Amino acid sequence: QKEVEQNSGPLSVPEGAIASLNCTYSDRGSQSFFWYRQYSGKSPELIMFIYSNGDKEDGRFTAQLNKASQYVSLLIRDSQPSDSATYLCAAQSGRGSQGNLIFGKGTKLSVKP
Amino acid sequence: KAGVTQTPRYLIKTRGQQVTLSCSPISGHRSVSWYQQTPGQGLQFLFEYFSETQRNKGNFPGRFSGRQFSNSRSEMNVSTLELGDSALYLCASSYGRNTEAFFGQGTRLTVV
Repeated sequence: QKEVEQNSGPLSVPEGAIASLNCTYSDRGSQSFFWYRQYSGKSPELIMFIYSNGDKEDGRFTAQLNKASQYVSLLIRDSQPSDSATYLCAAQSGRGSQGNLIFGKGTKLSVKP
Repeated sequence: KAGVTQTPRYLIKTRGQQVTLSCSPISGHRSVSWYQQTPGQGLQFLFEYFSETQRNKGNFPGRFSGRQFSNSRSEMNVSTLELGDSALYLCASSYGRNTEAFFGQGTRLTVV
């Protein structure tokens, strides 16, 4: 059973702080990893994707991947109240026809002004 | 560039009925995937279509089916609706395998 695990939270951080969101996955064949943000009542919105070990930065967001530890994380610097949402981690196998995404259940982030 | 369009946005159906949901992917995208989202189970994969062929299927009963047309638009059908089918159904499109997937706004289905 391929699984993606996330701490459900809620994770509460003060405005301006760094929010750290973590995710582990069970399928070693997973090759691509995605972070989505979902506001209440809305659909998931792609924030970042990462394929290679190491860090990938995009503005205030940094994704980190460690395939040996089967661990993915998302750092949000200078957190804003508008970042308050549920963050979904997803893994994609990429092998053969297995192109679908396996999602974690999400971590709810609350950024306090 | 238009995003992924799902219709209808909301549906209320009675147990035992069937329903068809529609998804128009981003122009140029050939892969369409469907997901079911519920508070308890989160986002669960239903099926994936690429160039009119079902490429992958999740662990859902045969009451859930889908298809993709030559213009990449996709439909999913749920027959003999059950109360537990109440959920947000999301469609995601991508250019191809291992590329970023973008979601539509979803169809919220309520079965009464």
